[in-house]
Amino acid sequence: GAVVSQHPSWVICKSGTSVKIECRSLDFQATTMFWYRQFPKQSLMLMATSNEGSKATYEQGVEKDKFLINHASLTLSTLTVTSAHPEDSSFYICSATTGGYEQYFGPGTRLTVT
Amino acid sequence: DAKTTQPPSMDCAEGRAANLPCNHSTISGNEYVYWYRQIHSQGPQYIIHGLKNNETNEMASLIITEDRKSSTLILPHATLRDTAVYYCILNAGGTSYGKLTFGQGTILTVHP
Repeated sequence: GAVVSQHPSWVICKSGTSVKIECRSLDFQATTMFWYRQFPKQSLMLMATSNEGSKATYEQGVEKDKFLINHASLTLSTLTVTSAHPEDSSFYICSATTGGYEQYFGPGTRLTVT
Repeated sequence: DAKTTQPPSMDCAEGRAANLPCNHSTISGNEYVYWYRQIHSQGPQYIIHGLKNNETNEMASLIITEDRKSSTLILPHATLRDTAVYYCILNAGGTSYGKLTFGQGTILTVHP
């Protein structure tokens, strides 16, 4: 089946620094990628939708200047958390689709901001 | 997308069928019923989806009532590896295509 990878799998950073998370579709070209956030014991919340070569569409309440998304190719999307704070500590998950009915999810990146 | 209601938790004995219910009484005519699951600290995994007919694949079966107001996901022979959070999600496609709205899901625990 289709595989989506994320890097890094976990990261610890200091408050005020920026962190970049990569999401790659390894064996298919993704027309659309999605970024989700999941806090402990909560469900996934969609943050933004990303199409290759165009600006991401952010969900209501998600700061686009804080969570920078770049979708430079059909196999790579990046999420940069700028000026991270402890409240940004979360599990970040990306997914990708070819336009069919199934979304393929990455394994997630656990971010801890100290 | 319309909201779904699932029991917060269920238990199942290994080797037995696990039947996970989902209520979606306000489902629209063009909304599909999707099921995903999330094993602890991993990304969600697609299981199955359907519109109005019952569906079966290598992982599970999906039974949708005739009025489409509820559905049941069936894992025919549950194993310990099926312990996960199961999400029932509605998606209409179009401009909302792919934008999955995850509820709280059902925590399924499979016991030896």
